[in-house]
Amino acid sequence: EVQLVESGGGLVQPGGSLRLSCAASGLTFRTQWMHWVRQAPGKGLIWVSRINGDATSTTYADFVKGRFTISRDNAEKTLYLQMSSLRVEDTAVYYCARSPTYNTLDFWGQGTLVTVSS
Amino acid sequence: DIQMTQSPSSLSASVGDRLTITCRASQSISTYVNWYQQKSGKAPKLLIYAASSLQSGVPSRFSGSGSGTDFTLTITSLQPEDFATYYCQHSYSAPPTFGGGTKVEIK
Repeated sequence: EVQLVESGGGLVQPGGSLRLSCAASGLTFRTQWMHWVRQAPGKGLIWVSRINGDATSTTYADFVKGRFTISRDNAEKTLYLQMSSLRVEDTAVYYCARSPTYNTLDFWGQGTLVTVSS
Repeated sequence: DIQMTQSPSSLSASVGDRLTITCRASQSISTYVNWYQQKSGKAPKLLIYAASSLQSGVPSRFSGSGSGTDFTLTITSLQPEDFATYYCQHSYSAPPTFGGGTKVEIK
């Protein structure tokens, strides 16, 4: 059974940093594209970033470019999202998701809440 | 970036109803569209991929159609567990953007 478990969320001040983790099990992690998607409270789904299996290709939404970095440790089967220069508008639940093909997200974690506030 | 415009943004329906949600892409995307269901406080769940393929384990009352720029998600005979928010998403290119969502509420 595929499981994705996010962690690392919490309260951070504007301008601060946070690293999210997504621990994977039940899948051949090293071959899978992985994505981060976020959802602000009461709002819709917003795609954030993706990374390919061997970490040679990464893509970001314009609103996080230069501030967020996606990475992975295939030996530990863990996906990361390093977030810096955080803004109030980055407040959201962050989900990791697996993409077996063409940006289709077939398994999602339960999400971790990031709150950016002073 | 490709924009996905979903309608309606909300609707009220009764158990047993047939309902249709539409999604329009800002450019032609062949059949690179997925549909997700999200219940309150839960992660999204993939229902339909490649416009019309039913994800494993999803009831057959859910179906998708369309190609090019116009797509639909249809639920025949709405069940109590189907009251949720539904999102379309294109998978044609990066960024794979989502529609704004359709909240299906009980009438």
